[in-house]
Amino acid sequence: QVQLVESGGGVVQPGRSLRLSCAASGFTFSSYGMHWVRQAPGKGLEWVAVISYDGSNKYYADSVKGRFTISRDNSKNTLYLQMNSLRAEDTAVYYCAKDDLLVWGQGTLVTVSS
Amino acid sequence: SYELTQPSSVSVSPGQTARITCSGDVLAKKYARWFQQKPGQAPVLVIYKDSERPSGIPERFSGSSSGTTVTLTISGAQVEDEADYYCYSAADNNRVFGGGTKLTVL
Repeated sequence: QVQLVESGGGVVQPGRSLRLSCAASGFTFSSYGMHWVRQAPGKGLEWVAVISYDGSNKYYADSVKGRFTISRDNSKNTLYLQMNSLRAEDTAVYYCAKDDLLVWGQGTLVTVSS
Repeated sequence: SYELTQPSSVSVSPGQTARITCSGDVLAKKYARWFQQKPGQAPVLVIYKDSERPSGIPERFSGSSSGTTVTLTISGAQVEDEADYYCYSAADNNRVFGGGTKLTVL
């Protein structure tokens, strides 16, 4: 079945870096764009970034532009989110989703705290 | 960037019709999607292209569009429909979610 599984979340100090991964299965990963979406505790959904099927196009929310990088390895069916210069306001559950937003992972929690 | 505006909450009794609106200039030229999210769960797509329903979504969920406003309608709302609902749209290099609406069915 179509599945997305995020990993890499945890507790990190402000200013430090973290890389999230999203392992895809059950569909031809290399044919689809992918998103990262986050949700701060008790808050709404916030779109973070999107990458095209081949990685040639990437777009970011203003709140993360210049600090986060979305990438993918189609040979490993895996999506990544490199998060640098983390801030307290980046604390959230991070979801990966297929480009049609029909398929989502279960999310991974990132907590930025000293 | 652009914004999508939703009411913070809507409340109906079981069996009544619930309507949740989403407003934004981008909706005049771009499709909207609607997501349902229950506590502790990932969002679920319930409407795409303003009014299309994905496979497996009950027929009581429908969507409509008029100008800069889209509406999610739940006809005969059930207790299990109680959740947060988010609209979403994409334009150019931007994607945005509405602030979310808490639907109470009580």
